[in-house]
Amino acid sequence: SQQGEEDPQALSIQEGENATMNCSYKTSINNLQWYRQNSGRGLVHLILIRSNEREKHSGRLRVTLDTSKKSSSLLITASRAADTASYFCATALREGGTSYGKLTFGQGTILTVHP
Amino acid sequence: GAGVSQSPRYKVAKRGQDVALRCDPISGHVSLFWYQQALGQGPEFLTYFQNEAQLDKSGLPSDRFFAERPEGSVSTLKIQRTQQEDSAVYLCASSTTRGGYTFGSGTRLTVV
Repeated sequence: SQQGEEDPQALSIQEGENATMNCSYKTSINNLQWYRQNSGRGLVHLILIRSNEREKHSGRLRVTLDTSKKSSSLLITASRAADTASYFCATALREGGTSYGKLTFGQGTILTVHP
Repeated sequence: GAGVSQSPRYKVAKRGQDVALRCDPISGHVSLFWYQQALGQGPEFLTYFQNEAQLDKSGLPSDRFFAERPEGSVSTLKIQRTQQEDSAVYLCASSTTRGGYTFGSGTRLTVV
């Protein structure tokens, strides 16, 4: 079963605008990751944020994590048509104090960036 | 190789047929995962290997699903007596012990 919910399910913006996607989850986690998936392709790892971190940046990506609310957000700044894809959050659960890294994915946000 | 390689890329099977899906992980990656992704959904965990040991198979939906990684490298996911609900993209991922997952492009299985 899916761990979390992503919001919105679909997002349509113009090139140059910012895109924000949200993810909520249900259990304690070791880390949360964001992935991108182009149609018919595999998942590409974007960024990982650990449970003791609150914010992380990578290029045009900014991820926040609020463990008290069990939520995360992914911000893509200055979007480009090439950013059009599905975006998934995935959590690695804390299991008995260790985690071998099994990921539980949300249902994804479909982002469309219009040129 | 440089990435995770999965084959075949597409597979059409008649209902009741057995299929075998192959995953070549990144050389040296200890951990290997299989996920199933239904259309319009996020991937769901099937099974996990650490080297040749299958440490978690809790996500396998039925005893028709079987996975192996006999030499701790290449892995095969086998589905016996395929059914229509098995139609999905099957994704393989490998990682080092410190995390950092690399996914393959997946095998799209269609059962007709």
